[in-house]
Order: sequence, then structure tokens, then C-alpha cells
Amino acid sequence: DSGVTQTPKHLITATGQRVTLRCSPRSGDLSVYWYQQSLDQGLQFLIQYYNGEERAKGNILERFSAQQFPDLHSELNLSSLELGDSALYFCASSVATGTGNTIYFGEGSWLTVV
Amino acid sequence: TQLLEQSPQFLSIQEGENLTVYCNSSSVFSSLQWYRQEPGEGPVLLVTVVTGGEVKKLKRLTFQFGDARKDSSLHITAAQPGDTGLYLCAGGGSWGKLQFGAGTQVVVTP
Repeated sequence: DSGVTQTPKHLITATGQRVTLRCSPRSGDLSVYWYQQSLDQGLQFLIQYYNGEERAKGNILERFSAQQFPDLHSELNLSSLELGDSALYFCASSVATGTGNTIYFGEGSWLTVV
Repeated sequence: TQLLEQSPQFLSIQEGENLTVYCNSSSVFSSLQWYRQEPGEGPVLLVTVVTGGEVKKLKRLTFQFGDARKDSSLHITAAQPGDTGLYLCAGGGSWGKLQFGAGTQVVVTP
């Protein structure tokens, strides 16, 4: 158990819909990261927040957005869903950001778009 | 575009055999990390290598970072069924914005 909690674990939704994935980082961790894992693209970095502020952006679509709240939990919002958005979405956290910080991954949220 | 190429993509061996997984890039990385991911779980960090030529050992696992910091290898001695999993290498300057390889699926059968 990494200490990073993600909900829901599984989600099936239709194309065009919007979903929200939730993440609670490890206690004391200020940095939250979101990753997408699919068979054809592998594990792709989406976005990082540190203490409520966006710190780095990766291959995140404009239809996707995220935020980190004052209690440090984070949400990833996926809208206008397409079949290709079906993937495993991971949240990860670390104490800080930068060299030397170990990143701990949650168990992921399986999203299936039908 | 994957900056890190892992080989082989799939490896199936018998318990007790040795195996090596490779991670190569045309880019120089300040550090490389190796993760193992099991079904239904997130990746778990195994090791971080930061110095060119560095060798790290974790029980039966040996990790090497190339002198030019463009490649790395993971060697498992006397593999056990518990070593089964997806092995991922990742590199990058900022720990969060890691670039991951596609992974090597290792299956160790009794």
C-alpha cells in the first residue's frame, strides 16, 4: 500500500460524457502528479501540482483539467470523452518536487469509454 | 514519442534463470529510475541511478547506468516467480515529469 488513494477504481461511461477522478496523496506529501497509461502510449505524464499550484504540464489534452485543493487532494476532470480516452489513470505523490524525491503511485482508476 | 526504448518487450523464463532488461535513449538523463508494476497496481520504485557508470544492487537485482548516462540495464539473477511483472525505466530532470519507457513484461514460471 503506497498510501496514495484513488477513487473510483473502475468507471464505465459513454462517449461525450464527463468524469472526475479523485486522488488523496500520502500524508504529508505536497506534490501530486497525474499519469495516463494505455497499451499504445505507455505511461504518460499529464500534469503536476505542488501545494495547490500547477507546477508542470505534460501531454494533457485541452478536454482534461485538474486541480489541487487546500487539503491537498486532487481531482482530474475528463470531459467530452472519446473512445481513445479509455485508459488507466494514475495519481502519484511526493513530499516535494525536484531531485531526490521518491514518487509513490496509487493503484489507478480504470476508465472505460463505450 | 518515447524517448526511452526498452528491450525486449516481453521475456518469459524459467525459475532459476538469469535475465537482463535494457533501457536505451539518444538523450542524456540526469538520472534514471526503474519501477516494477504488477497487475492492478501502480508502479513501485526499485532504484534510482544518478552517476554515469554507477552500479547498484538490490538483493538479486543489479542495475547499471551507462557511462554516458544514456542507457541502463537491469539484471536479475536466479529469477523467481515473484519477479514477474512489468519493468519500467524512467528518466527526466524533474522527478515528477518523468519520461517512461514502454516497459518489459517479465514472466517467470516455476
